[in-house]
Amino acid sequence: SAVISQKPSRDICQRGTSLTIQCQVDSQVTMMFWYRQQPGQSLTLIATANQGSEATYESGFVIDKFPISRPNLTFSTLTVSNMSPEDSSIYLCSVEDQRRSYGYTFGSGTRLTVV
Amino acid sequence: GENVEQHPSTLSVQEGDSAVIKCTYSDSASNYFPWYKQELGKRPQLIIDIRSNVGEKKDQRIAVTLNKTAKHFSLHITETQPEDSAVYFCAASILGGQNFVFGPGTRLSVLP
Repeated sequence: SAVISQKPSRDICQRGTSLTIQCQVDSQVTMMFWYRQQPGQSLTLIATANQGSEATYESGFVIDKFPISRPNLTFSTLTVSNMSPEDSSIYLCSVEDQRRSYGYTFGSGTRLTVV
Repeated sequence: GENVEQHPSTLSVQEGDSAVIKCTYSDSASNYFPWYKQELGKRPQLIIDIRSNVGEKKDQRIAVTLNKTAKHFSLHITETQPEDSAVYFCAASILGGQNFVFGPGTRLSVLP
């Protein structure tokens, strides 16, 4: 399956600051996805990042709060801006893995705590 | 948009027994249904998936069944082992699309 390196693995941040999460894939992929998983909850899609175009955001998520970059076919970043304690969550990137029957492969996640 | 429901939310079984988790979806256009296992503190891992052109798929102790007419699919785990204890998520999507929706999850506990 695709290998995804995601960093940082965890961080504790002050409210009002921003954190940028990086995902690097070992192969070129068309779409990269960013998910949020709140404690004890399921995975919620934040946005889909395509190379060369603006990310597509799901209802309830906006670009000003979660800006995304996709400079090439193997890399993407998600920034959590102007953080509040409600942003404390696990953030995961994901790709559609054509080596695994199109299943989605996830990065290891970033555990964010906002204090 | 797509809505995925999943039952039960928690499930406890004795080691060696079978476990069944059921999901329903709302969008008849969905054609891809994966199942993920998430152990505590780890990333979700794909364990099995099924496309809409088949009704059943099996991989060792794990099987998935799909009823497109009723818009539901199920995960079956036989001969459960303690290492099967985890949270399981179903999902529904359209292959090649961006509509990938997860169910709320089932916490499975396999008791020794």
